Amino acid sequence: DIVMTQSPDSLAVSLGERATINCKSSQSLLYSSNNKNYLAWYQQKPGQPPKLLIYWASTRESGVPDRFSGSGSGTDFTLTISSLQAEDVAVYYCQQYYGTLFTFGPGTKVDIK
Amino acid sequence: QVQLVESGGGVVQPGKSLILSCAASGFTFSNYAMHWVRQAPGKGLEWVAVIWYDGNNKYYADSLKGRFTISRDNSKNTLYLQMNSLRAEDTAVYYCAKDYGTGCLDYWGQGTLVTVSS
Repeated sequence: DIVMTQSPDSLAVSLGERATINCKSSQSLLYSSNNKNYLAWYQQKPGQPPKLLIYWASTRESGVPDRFSGSGSGTDFTLTISSLQAEDVAVYYCQQYYGTLFTFGPGTKVDIK
Repeated sequence: QVQLVESGGGVVQPGKSLILSCAASGFTFSNYAMHWVRQAPGKGLEWVAVIWYDGNNKYYADSLKGRFTISRDNSKNTLYLQMNSLRAEDTAVYYCAKDYGTGCLDYWGQGTLVTVSS
């Protein structure tokens, strides 16, 4: 199975500052036939189900603010919130969907400093 | 709009069985794979199972060791999760989620809580 790790476990960022979350997979998520990385990012606020933010590692889901961006390829990926807003306080998860089994990272909690 | 509504959760004794349902609306259910994902209290997300759009392919997390069965009824727009030999560690909120068509999950239900306790 593909194992996903995330760092840091949590971070606190001042309003308007940048937040960066890292995600690493135990094997490459880059599918050579279509040059796509099978990696998604989700946001989960307390008491709510997760919300899809990013897929194909860097494609923003419709309606997601452009302060959220995804980057990376192969085994190393990053979610960046360019200017943290109060409503961005949440836990963020990466997920791999390479193959027929799916796994999530352990999550990164983002708070306001 | 897309709606996914889970039901069937509750308190169940260890070793017993439970069936969860997820009623889907707002999209052509029979065109999409569907997933179950669970979240133990205060913990992260754990993918449970996926079933392809036609029900012909099903895949499960290794940790379930064959105790769970995912199924669907496309005539009723409903997804199911049969859970057998339940253990305390199966206590979680169970979410059903729609596959985007790529393997990521674009719509989620609100979840149903399963508590395994004597």
